[in-house]
Amino acid sequence: QSALTQPPSASGSPGQSVTISCTGTSSDVGGYNYVSWYQQHPGKAPKLIIHEVNVRPSGVPDRFSGSKSGNTASLTVSGLQAEDEADYYCCSYAGSNNFVVFGGGTKVTVL
Amino acid sequence: QVHLVQSAAEVKKPGASVTVSCKTSGYTFTSHGITWVRQAPGQGLEYMGWINPYNSNPKYAQKFQARVIMTTDTSTSTAHLELRSLRSDDTAVYFCARFLTLAAADYWGQGTLVTVSS
Repeated sequence: QSALTQPPSASGSPGQSVTISCTGTSSDVGGYNYVSWYQQHPGKAPKLIIHEVNVRPSGVPDRFSGSKSGNTASLTVSGLQAEDEADYYCCSYAGSNNFVVFGGGTKVTVL
Repeated sequence: QVHLVQSAAEVKKPGASVTVSCKTSGYTFTSHGITWVRQAPGQGLEYMGWINPYNSNPKYAQKFQARVIMTTDTSTSTAHLELRSLRSDDTAVYFCARFLTLAAADYWGQGTLVTVSS
């Protein structure tokens, strides 16, 4: 059982938007502005697409955006493209003892 | 460019130990923490711990505290993960990654498949 809760799947048609939620507690997501999101294609290493809740690393399209409200963080992919079909994982800092916790992952399908 | 290159796949018997290496290049090794994450077949990402190459201080996830050792070699800019007392459920791809900020790893190794089987 993962520490952070994500829906197992999400889908949308090309050009549409999809939003993935990531629910934690006040000890992780709610307690720190250190939430990150990773995209993983089959057989590949994860790729960082959002860090510190809503910061996009260089090279990541602005179709990807992050936000947080209370104990829940969200990733929105706007203008869905075929190459966005992948697994997405949220991750949060959880203090000096637990340090990092992951969500269980969400499989995004582009219809 | 920043690169993290991991050692080759391993096959081990239950009860044995395995060491996975992660050779880094393209940045100052002591300026970024290295984290280890594993992924069992068809499963999600699992955080194992991280190490600060500046002072070689590791911090392990509770689940792995008794069986894992993380080390760094600043002379070769390489990080190592040793996992002992292997079980079949340790079969996974093991990734090393460089911390950008807390909980954010911006560069990843290609992954090392460790198979535990009798």
